[in-house]
Amino acid sequence: AQSVTQPDIHITVSEGASLELRCNYSYGATPYLFWYVQSPGQGLQLLLKYFSGDTLVQGIKGFEAEFKRSQSSFNLRKPSVHWSDAAEYFCAVGARSNDYKLSFGAGTTVTVRA
Amino acid sequence: DAGVTQSPTHLIKTRGQQVTLRCSPKSGHDTVSWYQQALGQGPQFIFQYYEEEERQRGNFPDRFSGHQFPNYSSELNVNALLLGDSALYLCASSLAGGGRFEQYFGPGTRLTVT
Repeated sequence: AQSVTQPDIHITVSEGASLELRCNYSYGATPYLFWYVQSPGQGLQLLLKYFSGDTLVQGIKGFEAEFKRSQSSFNLRKPSVHWSDAAEYFCAVGARSNDYKLSFGAGTTVTVRA
Repeated sequence: DAGVTQSPTHLIKTRGQQVTLRCSPKSGHDTVSWYQQALGQGPQFIFQYYEEEERQRGNFPDRFSGHQFPNYSSELNVNALLLGDSALYLCASSLAGGGRFEQYFGPGTRLTVT
């Protein structure tokens, strides 16, 4: 079965500092990986996705993520955080063999301090 | 271009009652997935509808059922509500085939069971 672990429940970062959110997945075949962001009271917005090819993927809002098969990781990064990046971030994994069902991690809450 | 819409926004029900939640997919999308997000958790996959049939189901009891209409909109029904059913219910739409991975989420329906 596919599963996702986000080791960090809560991260606090200063505005302008860099941000890295960790994601580890468990799946036998090549996974399809996603990062979503959820602001309070809102639905999920897709930040970026990895299907195949270049292991460094660029997303919206200045985010990028790197797929590392050897480490079963798909960490999300942003070089310089803005106050508006305060939100909850979810990593998700899917597989064509599992009929495209997405499995989500428990999420990481990001707080941005001035 | 309207995104995914859900109704109602909030709902309060009593244990034992039944509830129906509604979802209209993003324009051009034909597949609808439903997720349950308990407080402090990541979304959990309930089921997915395509061509008016349930195609994939997560680990949820039969009290959870759904329907998809010819215009691709969908309903989620929950019978015999339990306190543990209190959650944010998210609807996501996508395109059949490989596009099913690119899921666009609605703002959700907050269900409170008392």
